Amino acid sequence: QITLKESGPTLVKPTQTLTLTCTFSGFSLSTSGVGVGWIRQPPGKALEWLALIYWNDDKRYSPSLKSRLTITKDTSKNQVVLTMTNMDPVDTATYYCAHTRGGSSAFDIWGQGTMVTVSS
Amino acid sequence: EIVLTQSPDFQSVTPKEKVTITCRASQSIGSSLHWYQQKPDQSPKLLIKYASQSISGVPSRFSGSGSGTDFTLTINSLEAEDAATYYCHQSSSFPWTFGQGTKVEIK
Repeated sequence: QITLKESGPTLVKPTQTLTLTCTFSGFSLSTSGVGVGWIRQPPGKALEWLALIYWNDDKRYSPSLKSRLTITKDTSKNQVVLTMTNMDPVDTATYYCAHTRGGSSAFDIWGQGTMVTVSS
Repeated sequence: EIVLTQSPDFQSVTPKEKVTITCRASQSIGSSLHWYQQKPDQSPKLLIKYASQSISGVPSRFSGSGSGTDFTLTINSLEAEDAATYYCHQSSSFPWTFGQGTKVEIK
């Protein structure tokens, strides 16, 4: 059974760096084809894809946020970490991590999400 | 960037009615189109992958069709538990993108 869980601060100040951790079980990020992505959702708004890391360390980013995002993996700890610099109130959202398998596949399993508020 | 446009944005439907949601891509994406259901205060749940492939555990009243730029999610005989927002998602090319969502309300 695949599970993912996001963790990190619930409140960050403007200009600070956000670090979110996705801890997963039921799969290995060293298995061919497997990936973990990050998606966010501002309150009452639509889903927005942020970043994705594959088993082979291939990394993809949203062009609009690329300069602020870094995604890394720790296969031994079964974790994926997303950092976002220079946080702004518009970055207030629920942040999800999700599992995918196959180069162009869907996100088949999602974490519960973690709400991050950006405010001074 | 591939833009996905869903229609309608909102639909109010009576139980047992048929619901059709469309998703149009700004360029051809083959069959790399997936559908999710999100209920209030819950994470999205995968309903259909690759335009028409069913997902284990998802009720058979949910089906998908289409290829290229035009896709459809159909809910046959809507049930009260289907009240949710539905999103399409393309994984044909990066950046992956989502539609703006279609909220389905039960009358």
